[in-house]
Amino acid sequence: DAKTTQPPSMDCAEGRAANLPCNHSTISGNEYVYWYRQIHSQGPQYIIHGLKNNETNEMASLIITEDRKSSTLILPHATLRDTAVYYCIVRVAFNNQGGKLIFGQGTELSVKP
Amino acid sequence: DGGITQSPKYLFRKEGQNVTLSCEQNLNHDAMYWYRQDPGQGLRLIYYSQIVNDFQKGDIAEGYSVSREKKESFPLTVTSAQKNPTAFYLCASGATGELFFGEGSRLTVL
Repeated sequence: DAKTTQPPSMDCAEGRAANLPCNHSTISGNEYVYWYRQIHSQGPQYIIHGLKNNETNEMASLIITEDRKSSTLILPHATLRDTAVYYCIVRVAFNNQGGKLIFGQGTELSVKP
Repeated sequence: DGGITQSPKYLFRKEGQNVTLSCEQNLNHDAMYWYRQDPGQGLRLIYYSQIVNDFQKGDIAEGYSVSREKKESFPLTVTSAQKNPTAFYLCASGATGELFFGEGSRLTVL
């Protein structure tokens, strides 16, 4: 399984963009990058995922480098409610039926007023 | 409403007792997962199941058991063999990697 490396914590001012980096230098060609977040004592919430192209949805944007060895999750206008632990995960595909998903330690993002 | 339901939300047990945590989903997902989370830590995979009547060990399966007799249900039993069972337990279901999580069950062993 590809491993991911994230900074343990980051701060961001409310209203500014939050850029959360993730290194996944051993990613395989058929592995996707997924981002989840977990607000304290709740179940994690899916944010976005991508293979090689940049992706955007209503929550965030995902930028994947051309060599796919790293990615950045961007929250364009962070709010206090975005304070959470953000997990970057590389999915191990297995018969396209979910497969084994390994969560690392994540980045604790604190959005400050 | 569609989703994942875990019960109970809080559970207290005496040391040496087995306890079963319930996880039910009505999302028609084939894959279901159990994770454990300790304070200040990430999620660690206990067991996962990709189809009914089949399941695989995750990274920390020792002291736990599961069954998958129905697509909708994936109960987790924390046995007395689990040395440090006090934790927050999360169940999830999904396909193609996007997981939907329940609200978790917090188990405290006294």
